[in-house]
Amino acid sequence: QQQVKQSPQSLIVQKGGISIINCAYENTAFDYFPWYQQFPGKGPALLIAIRPDVSEKKEGRFTISFNKSAKQFSLHIMDSQPGDSATYFCAAKGRGGATNKLIFGTGTLLAVQP
Amino acid sequence: NAGVTQTPKFQVLKTGQSMTLQCAQDMNHEYMSWYRQDPGMGLRLIHYSVGAGITDQGEVPNGYNVSRSTTEDFPLRLLSAAPSQTSVYFCASSLDRNMNTEAFFGQGTRLTVV
Repeated sequence: QQQVKQSPQSLIVQKGGISIINCAYENTAFDYFPWYQQFPGKGPALLIAIRPDVSEKKEGRFTISFNKSAKQFSLHIMDSQPGDSATYFCAAKGRGGATNKLIFGTGTLLAVQP
Repeated sequence: NAGVTQTPKFQVLKTGQSMTLQCAQDMNHEYMSWYRQDPGMGLRLIHYSVGAGITDQGEVPNGYNVSRSTTEDFPLRLLSAAPSQTSVYFCASSLDRNMNTEAFFGQGTRLTVV
């Protein structure tokens, strides 16, 4: 079963627009929710992460919104640029026991058109 | 500082052959893991290790073995390769086995089984 569900599968945004990617999780023991960015031919790299004690975290143009009651979190990319074109993965992890492993969503391929 | 190093970068195997994918990190990280990446499936966890001498199964462990004899190395073994194991494999490491810290990924190994 898929513990972290991600949508959409692909996204096309115009330069300067807002890109929004959504994720939902099932296990309430998860307490760490990172987003990873992957360029073609490279390994994923951490973009931004949030813990459930806050509802929002912003780093530059990238913002995570977190809704603990709905078990959902999303990535917003403001003023999207062609250089943001990449695959984005959400993930979730707990601490100890069966949840002590980083579980990824299926990814979103973002294309920002100039 | 090399980070996470995977070898080889590319490999073609015949069905039934065995091989070992190498992964080494020089950051003294406790936690190491192996993922496979397939189109539309995201990154799926194969095996992980929370420290030397300790390994556990992830989401898709069948057909793969691992061991962790040192902190630095975490090889992934395919005992009898099958076409279904054609994929891109990523090794990742993070600092602490229980704390939710950033996962650093290698560049990946693209494996084709014919």
